[in-house]
Amino acid sequence: EAGVAQSPRYKIIEKRQSVAFWCNPISGHATLYWYQQILGQGPKLLIQFQNNGVVDDSQLPKDRFSAERLKGVDSTLKIQPAKLEDSAVYLCASTPWRGTQYFGPGTRLLVL
Amino acid sequence: GENVEQHPSTLSVQEGDSAVIKCTYSDSASNYFPWYKQELGKRPQLIIDIRSNVGEKKDQRIAVTLNKTAKHFSLHITETQPEDSAVYFCAAAPNGNNAGNMLTFGGGTRLMVKP
Repeated sequence: EAGVAQSPRYKIIEKRQSVAFWCNPISGHATLYWYQQILGQGPKLLIQFQNNGVVDDSQLPKDRFSAERLKGVDSTLKIQPAKLEDSAVYLCASTPWRGTQYFGPGTRLLVL
Repeated sequence: GENVEQHPSTLSVQEGDSAVIKCTYSDSASNYFPWYKQELGKRPQLIIDIRSNVGEKKDQRIAVTLNKTAKHFSLHITETQPEDSAVYFCAAAPNGNNAGNMLTFGGGTRLMVKP
């Protein structure tokens, strides 16, 4: 089966600019997650969707980050405006109900 | 919320030796404990997981043990090979979330297997 797809793979922007990431989960996976992985650290959950509804976004910096999952399939994560400390790899993962989380290749963001 | 501590942060072993990575968690409601392997520049990949109704699980050279009373779990890799070199992450998830497993990850262990 096809894996979790993410784009772009790399993005370089200047601080205060905006950026958006896209994720296409594995077909049939109802649950989708966005993680932030700062260099040298473990992934940190930002937001979890069940179909097109938000289950948990308690760790999402809502003053600058937003995410949506229209139609319960693809998802986008946006940062506006970006800060230097947002430099990280943004990982998308999907899972069937209570199943194993499968990760995408990630988008590596560098904010200058 | 859940807090997962992982030790050691780096581990160097000789090829053929065993490697042990330990994690502790804080939330007694956690009942799902996966381990992920992440090679440089690659995505995390699940290598083994355990649920709280089991104390030990083994898959070839990899085993995981769980002590719910002490709130710690460990990854054991036997007969290590150079291709085992990677960063390993433990994680924990509670059973209270009806939509799936909300994972809290440890800080990672960089394992280096010297040939």
